[in-house]
Amino acid sequence: DAGITQSPRHKVTETGTPVTLRCHQTENHRYMYWYRQDPGHGLRLIHYSYGVKDTDKGEVSDGYSVSRSKTEDFLLTLESATSSQTSVYFCAIKGESYEQYFGPGTRLTVT
Amino acid sequence: GESVGLHLPTLSVQEGDNSIINCAYSNSASDYFIWYKQESGKGPQFIIDIRSNMDKRQGQRVTVLLNKTVKHLSLQIAATQPGDSAVYFCADLTQTNYGNNRLAFGKGNQVVVIP
Repeated sequence: DAGITQSPRHKVTETGTPVTLRCHQTENHRYMYWYRQDPGHGLRLIHYSYGVKDTDKGEVSDGYSVSRSKTEDFLLTLESATSSQTSVYFCAIKGESYEQYFGPGTRLTVT
Repeated sequence: GESVGLHLPTLSVQEGDNSIINCAYSNSASDYFIWYKQESGKGPQFIIDIRSNMDKRQGQRVTVLLNKTVKHLSLQIAATQPGDSAVYFCADLTQTNYGNNRLAFGKGNQVVVIP
């Protein structure tokens, strides 16, 4: 399972509230990613990190921010959650080549 | 589990038969491809990868075929088992406008194994 955990695994929140999702890895990987997965779409990249304090935007970054203050943790924050951000969120790490290994996911519902 | 499998093309396979799952990609410059398996309620699981300098690669009970001429990728699963029931999707390596490499994921195919 590549030593990746995500928390919480499920969350229901109200529109307009801030939400932070956490990804934790135990194998010292440099690259970490946040994706969202929605019906009718492939996995879409939100943000990624290529080292501590080094992050960049993905294709669907609006409304999301990230932080990486230490190698093992990559946080995804929804500053003010909207119903369009209801989704399943996956964290991933990059392997030795270009392959990525995914965590178990967080199901987020914004009401 | 999550409903990400809804509205996906579905392949129904008899247990013990071989499965073939297809994927078309659009970026002719892609030089690296991956197949993932996703079971209901779980994260995607890496199955096998292939580089563009190869046209075939085999793993345990799986074979990936790459046809760069028609930009087509396929995953063959031998002797399909009930545990193979899942959504399968491909990904290819693409380069962003900023010169970074990024994986682009397909929407997937649902495989249902009939006992």
